[in-house]
Amino acid sequence: QKEVEQDPGPLSVPEGAIVSLNCTYSNSAFQYFMWYRQYSRKGPELLMYTYSSGNKEDGRFTAQVDKSSKYISLFIRDSQPSDSATYLCAMTPTNAGKSTFGDGTTLTVKP
Amino acid sequence: DADVTQTPRNRITKTGKRIMLECSQTKGHDRMYWYRQDPGLGLRLIYYSFDVKDINKGEISDGYSVSRQAQAKFSLSLESAIPNQTALYFCATAWGLNPETQYFGPGTRLLVL
Repeated sequence: QKEVEQDPGPLSVPEGAIVSLNCTYSNSAFQYFMWYRQYSRKGPELLMYTYSSGNKEDGRFTAQVDKSSKYISLFIRDSQPSDSATYLCAMTPTNAGKSTFGDGTTLTVKP
Repeated sequence: DADVTQTPRNRITKTGKRIMLECSQTKGHDRMYWYRQDPGLGLRLIYYSFDVKDINKGEISDGYSVSRQAQAKFSLSLESAIPNQTALYFCATAWGLNPETQYFGPGTRLLVL
């Protein structure tokens, strides 16, 4: 079983919809939780990260962590066609260990 | 100029050929990584290096080797390429700090015939 499992998708939504992207994990040592966005034919880029439990908001994006359930989510409000990409979750422990990535969820936002 | 560069960007080779993919970075990061990405399989770690004298195997190192020539350079070699090594290859760099956020290169598309 993988340490990080990500909803596989693909996900297709109309423009303006609220999108929820989700990952679960098994390693309780993970303390930092990242979301990367990968456009087609490009390398992944860091979108945002959170530490421990709670929410973090950045514009239309909200990252949520529930450590008790070992579950993280990325919410996109008022989704735009430009949000169409693959989203990868990633996690690290506090000892500056290397990141463990989910397999990614491909999102398409239709105009 | 890009912080993490990969060369070549596209490569077609034949089965049995030796091929080298190169990665350079100007970010001054100590950590460097090589991943391959296949449709539906996400990023799979091939090798990683936490500094020039530190090389570690990832989950799929068989058939690959690496060289960390300098802090800024990390090369991936396929000693004898086979068709199932056809994939998109990414180099990434990071500081050894919390959190470890990685910076990816643009990728190399490799086709092994």
